[in-house]
Amino acid sequence: NAGVTQTPKFRVLKTGQSMTLLCAQDMNHEYMYWYRQDPGMGLRLIHYSVGEGTTAKGEVPDGYNVSRLKKQNFLLGLESAAPSQTSVYFCASSPQPRLNEQYFGPGTRLTVT
Amino acid sequence: GENVEQHPSTLSVQEGDSAVIKCTYSDSASNYFPWYKQELGKRPQLIIDIRSNVGEKKDQRIAVTLNKTAKHFSLHITETQPEDSAVYFCAASGGYGQNFVFGPGTRLSVLP
Repeated sequence: NAGVTQTPKFRVLKTGQSMTLLCAQDMNHEYMYWYRQDPGMGLRLIHYSVGEGTTAKGEVPDGYNVSRLKKQNFLLGLESAAPSQTSVYFCASSPQPRLNEQYFGPGTRLTVT
Repeated sequence: GENVEQHPSTLSVQEGDSAVIKCTYSDSASNYFPWYKQELGKRPQLIIDIRSNVGEKKDQRIAVTLNKTAKHFSLHITETQPEDSAVYFCAASGGYGQNFVFGPGTRLSVLP
C-alpha cells in the first residue's frame, strides 16, 4: 500500500495564480483532512471530509476550497494565491474521526511570491 | 473550542538523559491524546497515544501520562538517543464535533 500520497511535492506560484493540490489514499479511509504547517504554529486544519461527497470547514478555511468526489481523493484548491498562503500543506486520513491515528502524506511545500 | 498548549518550545538534552514535554488542553470532553514525531522535512508520524480511560501508557523508551482532572498530559522519553531529535506535537481530540487540535510543537535536540 502506498498509504497517503500528495502531488505535487513542491510548487512556486505568483500572487493571484490558482492551483490544486491532490491527496490520495488507498486505505479505504472515510475521513480526510487538509492541514497547513507554519513555523511555530503546529498543524492547523483547513478543511476536512467525513465521506465521499462531503466537506466541512476547519480552523483556517479562508482562501481555500476542497472537493471529495471520490472516496480515495481529496483536492485542495487555491483560487487566487496570496503570499500568506506560503506554507507546507499536509493531507491526512483516518478510518474514524477523532479517536484514531491520522495518517499523513509527505507534504507539499508551496511558495507564493 | 479546544485549545492545546505545549511546553517547552525547544528542549536540549544530553544523550542518555530523559526528556519531558507537557501539554495542556481546555475542553474537558476531549478523550484522545496522540503524540506525533516529525523529523526534518518528513511527515508527522504517531509515536504513542492515550485515551481518557487510561492514566499512563508505555512503549519501550516512550511513555505518556494523562491527568484528566488537571487537563494535562506529558510525553516522557528515557535514555534519549540522537535519532530522537525531532519536533514533537501533542494533540487533543474527541470532544463533541471536535477534530484534532495540535499543540505548536517542541523541538527536541539530543546532544552527543
